[in-house]
Amino acid sequence: GNSVTQMEGPVTLSEEAFLTINCTYTATGYPSLFWYVQYPGEGLQLLLKATKADDKGSNKGFEATYRKETTSFHLEKGSVQVSDSAVYFCARIGMDSNYQLIWGAGTKLIIKP
Amino acid sequence: NAGVTQTPKFRVLKTGQSMTLLCAQDMNHEYMYWYRQDPGMGLRLIHYSVGEGTTAKGEVPDGYNVSRLKKQNFLLGLESAAPSQTSVYFCASTNSFDTEAFFGQGTRLTVV
Repeated sequence: GNSVTQMEGPVTLSEEAFLTINCTYTATGYPSLFWYVQYPGEGLQLLLKATKADDKGSNKGFEATYRKETTSFHLEKGSVQVSDSAVYFCARIGMDSNYQLIWGAGTKLIIKP
Repeated sequence: NAGVTQTPKFRVLKTGQSMTLLCAQDMNHEYMYWYRQDPGMGLRLIHYSVGEGTTAKGEVPDGYNVSRLKKQNFLLGLESAAPSQTSVYFCASTNSFDTEAFFGQGTRLTVV
């Protein structure tokens, strides 16, 4: 089927820690993959994306690599800040979903100073 | 630099009342979407539109209706609100399927 699975939160880290938020997907073919971020009280905004295998998306110190072998798109950041506290959503889009975004459940990230 | 604007931002309804949520975008986007966001469930697509005058059902369409009479506006209607429709509603628009989706700031609806 079409699905996106993210690690459950909340994830709580100290400032400057290394972050990984896991995301795996199921799909027929090779969908485009996205990470969106939702800061408190706001709508979602695109953080980064990758449209083909082995592509690496990056923005604001965050990175994610499209791994077709493991059908994964894990989000990483080397040194998190308090301002990174938010909810992070993994999503995919492709022909097999009639070009609709399929969303993960979201992972809440809490960064403590 | 408005982007996607949703009105209202907050609303409390009594069971059985009706209301319309308005989404307006100024980016000339073809595709518009209505989602609901519930704790632990991510975003679920209610209805969407691929162009002016067209609408289609998403994952959870029951109890909602939509209209896209003008390209820039996408209206979501609740004919007879139920407590199960208590949620945060987000509108989004895109220019094409695999480009960035732009979101409004959300409407927090409580049905009592």
